[in-house]
Amino acid sequence: NAGVTQTPKFRVLKTGQSMTLLCAQDMNHEYMYWYRQDPGMGLRLIHYSVGEGTTAKGEVPDGYNVSRLKKQNFLLGLESAAPSQTSVYFCASSYKGGRRTEAFFGQGTRLTVV
Amino acid sequence: AQSVTQPDIHITVSEGASLELRCNYSYGATPYLFWYVQSPGQGLQLLLKYFSGDTLVQGIKGFEAEFKRSQSSFNLRKPSVHWSDAAEYFCAVGPSLIQGAQKLVFGQGTRLTINP
Repeated sequence: NAGVTQTPKFRVLKTGQSMTLLCAQDMNHEYMYWYRQDPGMGLRLIHYSVGEGTTAKGEVPDGYNVSRLKKQNFLLGLESAAPSQTSVYFCASSYKGGRRTEAFFGQGTRLTVV
Repeated sequence: AQSVTQPDIHITVSEGASLELRCNYSYGATPYLFWYVQSPGQGLQLLLKYFSGDTLVQGIKGFEAEFKRSQSSFNLRKPSVHWSDAAEYFCAVGPSLIQGAQKLVFGQGTRLTINP
């Protein structure tokens, strides 16, 4: 059971380039999330999805787009990367169970924008 | 607004010593509280969680945490640390749901270093 898998694990982009981060979960979870982790700031929610075909903005959505075409996949896109988007990105998923549910996290993607 | 504060950015303890990591939260209703651990190069793993009931909760790897409503705290403890406990630890609170999805608010994290 793989859980939550993120690809790629590392990436270096030049300013202005685009890329897509892929998150896949095999736990049949309804909810999926993208967070970014920056030093001294913990994790902050970028976007989330409550089901296939639905997405919504989190705390820091600017500069990112997401899509959830399949229940098991949640894609995070950067259309025009900026140095401020240098961060570690975490995907998470949880089942539909209210506030008591546990979020399961992927291993993270370390992105550097130069 | 909901918030979580971890006052200690970096803590160093000797192997075998006891550990306490502090977490304070601000939340208007009954909080649901979590501690996650991030080992080097790894994702976040849930150590323990508090929803209700007994204020002392036991987690994995020998960790425990105590919920103190009067102090708005949820401190993580371990009686004797091992070198493998070196990691970054995050406290998080789960506030009200957004369309049913759970939005976690994380603290800044505490990096734990273990001296041999």
